Amino acid sequence: DAGVIQSPRHEVTEMGQEVTLRCKPISGHNSLFWYRQTMMRGLELLIYFNNNVPIDDSGMPEDRFSAKMPNASFSTLKIQPSEPRDSAVYFCASSWGQETQYFGPGTRLLVL
Amino acid sequence: SQQGEEDPQALSIQEGENATMNCSYKTSINNLQWYRQNSGRGLVHLILIRSNEREKHSGRLRVTLDTSKKSSSLLITASRAADTASYFCATDAGNDMRFGAGTRLTVKP
Repeated sequence: DAGVIQSPRHEVTEMGQEVTLRCKPISGHNSLFWYRQTMMRGLELLIYFNNNVPIDDSGMPEDRFSAKMPNASFSTLKIQPSEPRDSAVYFCASSWGQETQYFGPGTRLLVL
Repeated sequence: SQQGEEDPQALSIQEGENATMNCSYKTSINNLQWYRQNSGRGLVHLILIRSNEREKHSGRLRVTLDTSKKSSSLLITASRAADTASYFCATDAGNDMRFGAGTRLTVKP
């Protein structure tokens, strides 16, 4: 298995632009997680899905952030409009239930 | 919000020495996991210990769990320069998993 796949690996954009991050979980996993990591705030859980249904989105910073999981093999995290304070590394992880999470390589986002 | 808190925040040791990192948490848990993150990479799962277990081993790793004190420790024996990374504990309290802020371990050759 290729593991969790995220794209793009790096994204540089200007403030106000829409940013879409993509994630392909490991086949057979039924839970998917989106995290954000910064030096100041550490690793923050943004949202997680179970069987494609959002279970807990309390970590989503504000309405500018939205996440979807249209099927078991694909999820997106969208930021619209983006702001400089959104600059961070965004990780996607998948798991079977609440067991071991397998992390993707992350998307490093820089909003100028 | 974070559930686990690692201690110390940073640890620097010589190759061959043992490294001990601690994690404290606040609520009852189903299991506790330790992850490792190399700079610029995603987290990698190291070991999982369930709430009814007290100690677990995996290679050079030894994890203990004290549910009465709501704490866990990760011991890395005979450390190597390649063990240099950040180590996170994560607690599963039901609906999701929460990560601590991590311990930055530096192993000097």
